[in-house]
Amino acid sequence: SQTIHQWPATLVQPVGSPLSLECTVEGTSNPNLYWYRQAAGRGLQLLFYSVGIGQISSEVPQNLSASRPQDRQFILSSKKLLLSDSGFYLCAGLIFSGEETQYFGPGTRLLVL
Amino acid sequence: AQKVTQAQTEISVVEKEDVTLDCVYETRDTTYYLFWYKQPPSGELVFLIRRNSFDEQNEISGRYSWNFQKSTSSFNFTITASQVVDSAVYFCALTFSGNTPLVFGKGTRLSVIA
Repeated sequence: SQTIHQWPATLVQPVGSPLSLECTVEGTSNPNLYWYRQAAGRGLQLLFYSVGIGQISSEVPQNLSASRPQDRQFILSSKKLLLSDSGFYLCAGLIFSGEETQYFGPGTRLLVL
Repeated sequence: AQKVTQAQTEISVVEKEDVTLDCVYETRDTTYYLFWYKQPPSGELVFLIRRNSFDEQNEISGRYSWNFQKSTSSFNFTITASQVVDSAVYFCALTFSGNTPLVFGKGTRLSVIA
């Protein structure tokens, strides 16, 4: 079976500090990977997706970036956090289990103060 | 452009009542895929169902059932005999290809009261 890991689970960071969130996938190879953000009480916004190592598509221009250094690793970063970066960050992987379906990790709650 | 509308922002029901969550979608693609996810208080999105545009059969899984109607561009979700554990935010989503990003609705928060 496939599993999507995210860490850390929660994070409190000051404005202007850097950020690195990690997502790893088990049980499948070469999955499409996605980063979504969910602001408090709101829907999901796609931030980045990747179809392979080093291939990143950005959906929303902002101070965040993503990288995919390994097949099953997807990293979300920022050099300087803004207050508006607070939210719930979810990593998803496209997994083939009979049909291709996006499965989600447990998420990271980020609070920027 | 694709769009998913979940007009019900919040719903409250008493335990054992049936409840239907509405989902209306817009797409110009003839092939597309629809999904429902559940987000309990823990935050993780749990996959519930995937349906492709060529399969209009309704689906039943235990107390859950889904009604897909292309004529009205709707993919509604019904929970029968609701339970407190059903309390969550439910998202409907759409994509035109199995491997492209999902377009999500804004979600419906369901509260089931004991």
